[in-house]
Amino acid sequence: DAGVIQSPRHEVTEMGQEVTLRCKPISGHDYLFWYRQTMMRGLELLIYFNNNVPIDDSGMPEDRFSAKMPNASFSTLKIQPSEPRDSAVYFCASSALAGVEDTQYFGPGTRLTVL
Amino acid sequence: DAKTTQPTSMDCAEGRAANLPCNHSTISGNEYVYWYRQIHSQGPQYIIHGLKNNETNEMASLIITEDRKSSTLILPHATLRDTAVYYCIVRAQSARQLTFGSGTQLTVLP
Repeated sequence: DAGVIQSPRHEVTEMGQEVTLRCKPISGHDYLFWYRQTMMRGLELLIYFNNNVPIDDSGMPEDRFSAKMPNASFSTLKIQPSEPRDSAVYFCASSALAGVEDTQYFGPGTRLTVL
Repeated sequence: DAKTTQPTSMDCAEGRAANLPCNHSTISGNEYVYWYRQIHSQGPQYIIHGLKNNETNEMASLIITEDRKSSTLILPHATLRDTAVYYCIVRAQSARQLTFGSGTQLTVLP
């Protein structure tokens, strides 16, 4: 298995532009998580899905952020409009429901820089 | 989820055992102890987890005290590739998300 795939790996954009981050979870996994990592705040959960349905989006910073999962093999995290404070590494992770044995597997991350 | 306390940083000589402590004095009966690590510029990687019994896998051993208020992750023969930030996380069985703290920066020295 290729693991969790994220694209792009690096994104540099200007303030005000729309940014779309993409994630392909591991096949057969029914949970998908989006995390953000910054030096100041560490790793934070933004939102997670179960069977393509958003379950908890309490970590989404504000309305500029939105996430979708149109099918079991694809999810997007969109920021519109982007701001310099959104600069961070964004990780996607997936897991399979199996009680407490649901180990999360993380992708390599997307490093976002908003100028 | 219960809060965890870890040292900010630790050093270990290559080939020696690395013992990473974690305090979770407010852990409740249905909460598991998880360990993840993050090598620089990579996503976090699962290492091991346990409830109350000691656990061992191909990567590490997890020792949980009898009162479950603390645990130790043991890397038996640390290598330079084990240099990473190690996160101790307490998670309820019913919870799906992971709450990461600051972790311990382990540096394995040649």
